[in-house]
Amino acid sequence: EPEVTQTPSHQVTQMGQEVILRCVPISNHLYFYWYRQILGQKVEFLVSFYNNEISEKSEIFDDQFSVERPDGSNFTLKIRSTKLEDSAMYFCASIRQVNTGELFFGEGSRLTVL
Amino acid sequence: DQQVKQNSPSLSVQEGRISILNCDYTNSMFDYFLWYKKYPAEGPTFLISISSIKDKNEDGRFTVFLNKSAKHLSLHIVPSQPGDSAVYFCAAAYSGTYKYIFGTGTRLKVLA
Repeated sequence: EPEVTQTPSHQVTQMGQEVILRCVPISNHLYFYWYRQILGQKVEFLVSFYNNEISEKSEIFDDQFSVERPDGSNFTLKIRSTKLEDSAMYFCASIRQVNTGELFFGEGSRLTVL
Repeated sequence: DQQVKQNSPSLSVQEGRISILNCDYTNSMFDYFLWYKKYPAEGPTFLISISSIKDKNEDGRFTVFLNKSAKHLSLHIVPSQPGDSAVYFCAAAYSGTYKYIFGTGTRLKVLA
């Protein structure tokens, strides 16, 4: 069964450092997402990406965040200068056609900022 | 702005009984609703969905009910099994937007 894969599973970084989280969405999917979940809280939308550009983003997704699809398979989330409050699980998700089915989520990347 | 709310943070149910998880929403534009199940340190996994043109959708032990006038949906699990113990999130979306908005989650514990 096709799946969304994410790397790394866990990253520990110092405050102020840059972090890149990587995702390989399901191959025939067209819409890509990043969500995050701070421990014990809700799953929050960060950004959606379609046709090589951001289609929608939340207020959380400020100038410190960026996304990229550098090739035909990877989808990355970069945090330029991490803050303590960026510590969370980051989930990548993808879907073939929006609003017609379920988002498929990866296993998540745990980011710990010290 | 909490558009999707799950007012019960936790629920305990005996094995074999029915689990009912509730979700309320405020945005009347939502026309597609989903339930996800999440285990610790894993990504959410899809359970069942419903479009706003329906009021019920059933898949095995899982049934989702939608009451558009009350802006309320519920997930029924019957019979509940210990393996159902997890956090359940409802999510909503509408045509014209790309994002799926999640509720705060309800932790279900099924007691053997």
